[in-house]
Amino acid sequence: SQQGEEDPQALSIQEGENATMNCSYKTSINNLQWYRQNSGRGLVHLILIRSNEREKHSGRLRVTLDTSKKSSSLLITASRAADTASYFCATDEWPGTGKLIFGQGTTLQVKP
Amino acid sequence: EAQVTQNPRYLITVTGKKLTVTCSQNMNHEYMSWYRQDPGLGLRQIYYSMNVEVTDKGDVPEGYKVSRKEKRNFPLILESPSPNQTSLYFCASSLGGAYNQPQHFGDGTRLSIL
Repeated sequence: SQQGEEDPQALSIQEGENATMNCSYKTSINNLQWYRQNSGRGLVHLILIRSNEREKHSGRLRVTLDTSKKSSSLLITASRAADTASYFCATDEWPGTGKLIFGQGTTLQVKP
Repeated sequence: EAQVTQNPRYLITVTGKKLTVTCSQNMNHEYMSWYRQDPGLGLRQIYYSMNVEVTDKGDVPEGYKVSRKEKRNFPLILESPSPNQTSLYFCASSLGGAYNQPQHFGDGTRLSIL
């Protein structure tokens, strides 16, 4: 099965800086989703980008998708201490089997 | 409040003693799924259900059973738990298929099998 891979595995920045995380996947997809997980808690959906979209914004989040490279990036601008969490990408398999494959995640620490 | 509820939240048990983790959602979602999360491995899908009476295997179904008799409930059954099933488990649901809808997650169940 396909596996999303995220890069970097861990990221530490100062408050106010931007944070960029990358996700790569292996097969054709319908869409790609990003989730946030605070320590030991359930995942929270952040943004969904469809395979025919190249960029999407939601507040301080900007997601790009390059289907030719099978990769996506999540940019968090003007980071805050409350953004400290793990971030996961998740992809399905075209044409849509119901399976959802998560990456291993990027752990972001934002220092006040 | 719209939510996915898992019970129990924590459980320590012994090898071979059958257990069930319940999952219930109040959003009338068709799709429900179970994941396990292990350090360094991310989330891996165990089983999913596209609708009532329809279940399919995810990537790591061995040692688990599920059922979907009602739309709101999707219990995870470990008939003969073993230590390698010690993990953090999450149930999730969505309106329609996982391929085009955000997943709503429960708060997790931490299982320790001794």
